[in-house]
Amino acid sequence: DVKVTQSSRYLVKRTGEKVFLECVQDMDHENMFWYRQDPGLGLRLIYFSYDVKMKEKGDIPEGYSVSREKKERFSLILESASTNQTSMYLCASSLEGRGGGELFFGEGSRLTVL
Amino acid sequence: DQQVKQNSPSLSVQEGRISILNCDYTNSMFDYFLWYKKYPAEGPTFLISISSIKDKNEDGRFTVFLNKSAKHLSLHIVPSQPGDSAVYFCAGSHTGANSKLTFGKGITLSVRP
Repeated sequence: DVKVTQSSRYLVKRTGEKVFLECVQDMDHENMFWYRQDPGLGLRLIYFSYDVKMKEKGDIPEGYSVSREKKERFSLILESASTNQTSMYLCASSLEGRGGGELFFGEGSRLTVL
Repeated sequence: DQQVKQNSPSLSVQEGRISILNCDYTNSMFDYFLWYKKYPAEGPTFLISISSIKDKNEDGRFTVFLNKSAKHLSLHIVPSQPGDSAVYFCAGSHTGANSKLTFGKGITLSVRP
């Protein structure tokens, strides 16, 4: 079974803090994604990566950056957390060339910024 | 620009009856559609998909119908069970997008015992 593991299920941070959200997948997937889920807004894509050291902006990249130094690991970074970044963050991975694009999601990281 | 629309935010059905969840899309490039199910405090899990070369795909109690001319798809759950109570997301993608999915806002399904 594919496993996508997010390092922290719940985090509480203060405004202005730097926040790292880590994600690791164990199925050698080329593609990795970061989404955030907010009530009434669904799942919105923040950043994605097709390969090591590659990154592409999604629909809402402002205030975020990412790092992919190894194929299995994709990190989301909030350089200076703000209250409007309080959300559920979901990491996902998928195989290269899968036209269907089935994503495998982690369990999510609930971030609260005070 | 909302490319995938789930216009009904919630649906409540009686156990044993049919649940019909609707989804519309605007991007004519989409050629693959997926449904995901999400319980609170968990990540979404893949439920069922359909390619644009088909108009129906069935997997047990779950059937997805695609009407390309109307840019509309629907998920049917028969019979509905209380364990089906969750948020359901519709998503679309197109070949060459390298698995990038565009999601709708989700529908909260409640199945009453």
